[in-house]
Formats: sequence, C-alpha cells, structure tokens
Amino acid sequence: DAKTTQPPSMDCAEGRAANLPCNHSTISGNEYVYWYRQIHSQGPQYIIHGLKNNETNEMASLIITEDRKSSTLILPHATLRDTAVYYCTLYNQGGKLIFGQGTELSVKP
Amino acid sequence: NAGVTQTPKFQVLKTGQSMTLQCAQDMNHNSMYWYRQDPGMGLRLIYYSASEGTTDKGEVPNGYNVSRLNKREFSLRLESAAPSQTSVYFCASSEGVYQPQHFGDGTRLSIL
Repeated sequence: DAKTTQPPSMDCAEGRAANLPCNHSTISGNEYVYWYRQIHSQGPQYIIHGLKNNETNEMASLIITEDRKSSTLILPHATLRDTAVYYCTLYNQGGKLIFGQGTELSVKP
Repeated sequence: NAGVTQTPKFQVLKTGQSMTLQCAQDMNHNSMYWYRQDPGMGLRLIYYSASEGTTDKGEVPNGYNVSRLNKREFSLRLESAAPSQTSVYFCASSEGVYQPQHFGDGTRLSIL
C-alpha cells in the first residue's frame, strides 16, 4: 500500500499562506490524495482531494506535482483557527483510508 | 444539520465490563467506519461497513464487534473491555467507499 510522509510540525504567521507538503512517491495511477485536519481532538474534518489536476475550494488549494509523487496543501490566508493537525491520506487497495502522523500546524499572531 | 452523532461522549469502564458505542448519520450515506485514536498517533481503522448489510475488518479489529443496524446506524461493541482499549473512538460516514469521510466528535473511553 502507498504511504504518505509529512513533516511533523510547521509554523505560520497569521494572515500568511500556509504551505503543507506531502510526499506520496509510491502512489498508484488511480489513487486520489485526500487532506483532512483535526482541531484539538475534535473529529477530523475533510478539506479537499485530488487526482492529478490542481484543486481549489472554499477552504484550501491542492497542488499535485505532474509525476504525482508529492502534493502541497495551501491555506491562502491562515488564521489562528487553522491551528490543527493536517493529514495527507490515501485510500489503500481495500478501500481503507490510511492516516499517518500528520503535520501539526501552529498559526501564530 | 447533525451529520454524524456519537453517544456517549465520555465513558469510564472497569476491566471486563462490556459496552456499546453508538453512531448515527443523517446524510443518507452508504458507508460507515469506526476508528480509534491513541495519544500522538493518527487514526486507525477498527471496522467498516461499505454498505448496509456488510461489515469488514480494518487494521485493529481484535476485541471489538460491530453491527450495521440499518443505513443510519453503526454500533461498536466491546465485549470484555481491557485497559489497552482506552482511547478516543471516532465514527465516520461517506457516500461510498473512496469518497470523503465525515466524522463525529468522538467518544472518549477510559478503562480502569
């Protein structure tokens, strides 16, 4: 099963863009990349997903490299409420979502 | 719009006691899931139900049973609770497998 690798923690200044990287070098051709976040032990919240084209919604943008081996989640104007653990995930062959350790993003005033 | 509702929110059990965690969704989703999350770790899948009438094991099914009662409800049962099952349990649902999942707020379970 393909796995994802993320930095354990990142800081971002309030109002600036937060760019969260994810490596998924063993991703297969039809696997989507999903991003979730978890704020202070609440249930995870779905953010965005993509296959190979860049995606944007009201929460974030997702940039996937042409070879699909990595992606970046962009929060364009981070606020204090964006402080959370961000998970880059893939579905495995059995249709199970595999969560790694995630990136703990701290947005600072 | 409730989404995914889990009950109870908190529970303390003694070793050997049994308990059922309840989960209900009001989004007419076909697939439902149970995860556990331990300190400093990501979520691990316990069981899932791809559609009404089916259930399958996830990564860590030992010590648990599930019941897909109907399309809305998916319960998780601990028959004989052990301290190693102390965790936060999350239920989730999705329109189908490989679709975005929507999570409840969790049940915090302590087993003494």
